[in-house]
Amino acid sequence: KQEVTQIPAALSVPEGENLVLNCSFTDSAIYNLQWFRQDPGKGLTSLLLIQSSQREQTSGRLNASLDKSSGRSTLYIAASQPGDSATYLCAVRPLVFGKGTRLSVIA
Amino acid sequence: NAGVTQTPKFQVLKTGQSMTLQCAQDMNHEYMSWYRQDPGMGLRLIHYSVGAGITDQGEVPNGYNVSRSTTEDFPLRLLSAAPSQTSVYFCASSRTGSGGSTDTQYFGPGTRLTVL
Repeated sequence: KQEVTQIPAALSVPEGENLVLNCSFTDSAIYNLQWFRQDPGKGLTSLLLIQSSQREQTSGRLNASLDKSSGRSTLYIAASQPGDSATYLCAVRPLVFGKGTRLSVIA
Repeated sequence: NAGVTQTPKFQVLKTGQSMTLQCAQDMNHEYMSWYRQDPGMGLRLIHYSVGAGITDQGEVPNGYNVSRSTTEDFPLRLLSAAPSQTSVYFCASSRTGSGGSTDTQYFGPGTRLTVL
């Protein structure tokens, strides 16, 4: 059974810092991996989607990498801002979600 | 496009009552799904559908029914609500249910359900 783990569960950083969020999965037979952002009391917003054949995807200050063989993905956020404060979730397809990393960026 | 819409936003039920959570999408997506989100448990898949007339169970289907009579709508029914079903429910859709170059999942805003 696929299991997705996100470490750390919570992270607090000062504004401007570059940071990395981690996602690991136990079964490498995935179709794709998606990173989401969830603000308190809101739904999920898709940030990046990496196909199983790809190594990374970039969108603005965000870069996500995928290493299927080791069962890992990272989400890199450059020059963090207070507006980046949210919970970040990764999900692999067939769909299993991690429990998320709660990020706080302190001004 | 409205994307994925869910109604109601909030609902309070008494144990044993029934209700239907509505979900609709206007993106002509084949795949739709329902999740529940609980503190410390993350999102768990309840039911999903790969097209009109086709539904299947996810990880936590007990106590919930679904049907998919049209591409646009995917309602979730609670037949006899229990306090354990207190949760936030999200509906999601994507072009297909398998891998694909544009297979992003889109989520609705959620329904916060409390069962007393």
